[in-house]
Parts: sequence; structure tokens; C-alpha cells
Amino acid sequence: KAGVTQTPRYLIKTRGQQVTLSCSPISGHRSVSWYQQTPGQGLQFLFEYFSETQRNKGNFPGRFSGRQFSNSRSEMNVSTLELGDSALYLCASSLDRGEETQYFGPGTRLLVL
Amino acid sequence: DQQVKQNSPSLSVQEGRISILNCDYTNSMFDYFLWYKKYPAEGPTFLISISSIKDKNEDGRFTVFLNKSAKHLSLHIVPSQPGDSAVYFCAAGGVKAAGNKLTFGGGTRVLVKP
Repeated sequence: KAGVTQTPRYLIKTRGQQVTLSCSPISGHRSVSWYQQTPGQGLQFLFEYFSETQRNKGNFPGRFSGRQFSNSRSEMNVSTLELGDSALYLCASSLDRGEETQYFGPGTRLLVL
Repeated sequence: DQQVKQNSPSLSVQEGRISILNCDYTNSMFDYFLWYKKYPAEGPTFLISISSIKDKNEDGRFTVFLNKSAKHLSLHIVPSQPGDSAVYFCAAGGVKAAGNKLTFGGGTRVLVKP
């Protein structure tokens, strides 16, 4: 079974631009969560989607948004990019809500200049 | 408010010996705990998990111990292999109101010397 895939793997943007990242969960998995990893803050939860609905949101500004499609694929969007948004963005999928184990994709490395 | 903490940023161990990684948490509502291994520029790889109703779970070379009264868990890797060199994260989840949200510790970098 294919794992979680994320595209693109690397991205360079400039301040003020917006970016959209994509995540395809493991086949059959319905829950998708997004995390941000930075050297200073570590791994932090962004949001969780299940059945095309955002179920939970971390402590991030409204510039960070996401959505989930009927096939469980998910996208996250960051508008008006800031230098501090440079990070590794990780997507994780699990079979269902309340499912203990989440499986992570390889991440998208975003650099904001 | 750091609810999950890994107080040792790094650990060096000889090949064949035991690696012990520690993790402390403050939220007694966590329902399960997981350990992930991460190589640079890759996503975390799931290693092993433990439910809050258990005190030990074993999978091959990996054993996780949970001490609920101390709000402490540890991961034992025996025997350690050079390929185990990576950053290890403990994570906690299962707080009902938080859905699938995992709260991560800061990570411990493990170096296994041949």
C-alpha cells in the first residue's frame, strides 16, 4: 500500500505570496492532520480534517487554512507568507478519528525569502 | 505550555547496547502515547505506541514503558544499531476534545556508534 504522499517536496516563495500544499493520505484513510516543524517550535499541530470538515485547529493565525476533498485528499493554504512560515509542513493520515496511529508523509519544505 | 517534554536533547550509545529515551507529560487526559523516529528531510516514521491503560508494550527491539503516576514514559531500544541513529519524538494524543491532535516532545537525537 502506498504511503502518504505530499507535493511539492520543496518550495521557495517570497514574503506576501501565498502557497498551497497537497497531501494524499494512505488509501482508505479518512482523517488527515497537518503539522508544522520548525527548529524553534518543534512539531506543532495545525489542523485536522475528517469527512471534508475541519475538526480541530491548532494555535495558528487565520492565514493558515485547509480543506479536504471527498476522496480524503487534503490541501493546506498559507496566505500572505512571512519569513517565519519557513518550515517543514507534514501531513499525517489515520484510518479514522480517534485512531491511535498516524502515518506521516515526507513533508513539504517551504522556504520564504 | 509544553505538555510533552523530552529533557535529553541528545544521546550517544555504543552499537549493541541499550538506548533509553525518556519523555514526561503534564496532561493526565492523554489517552495514548507514540514514539516516532525521524531522519533529516523525511517525515516521522511510527515506531511503537502504548495505551494509557497499559504499562508496557513491546515490538521487536523496541519496548515502551508507561508510568502514569509519574507521568513518564520511556523507549528502550535493544540492541542499538547504527541505523537507529536519528531523532526520536514522543507524542501524546487521545484527549477527547482534541480529536486526532498529537502533541509532540522536542525530540532526542540518538547517535549509535559502531
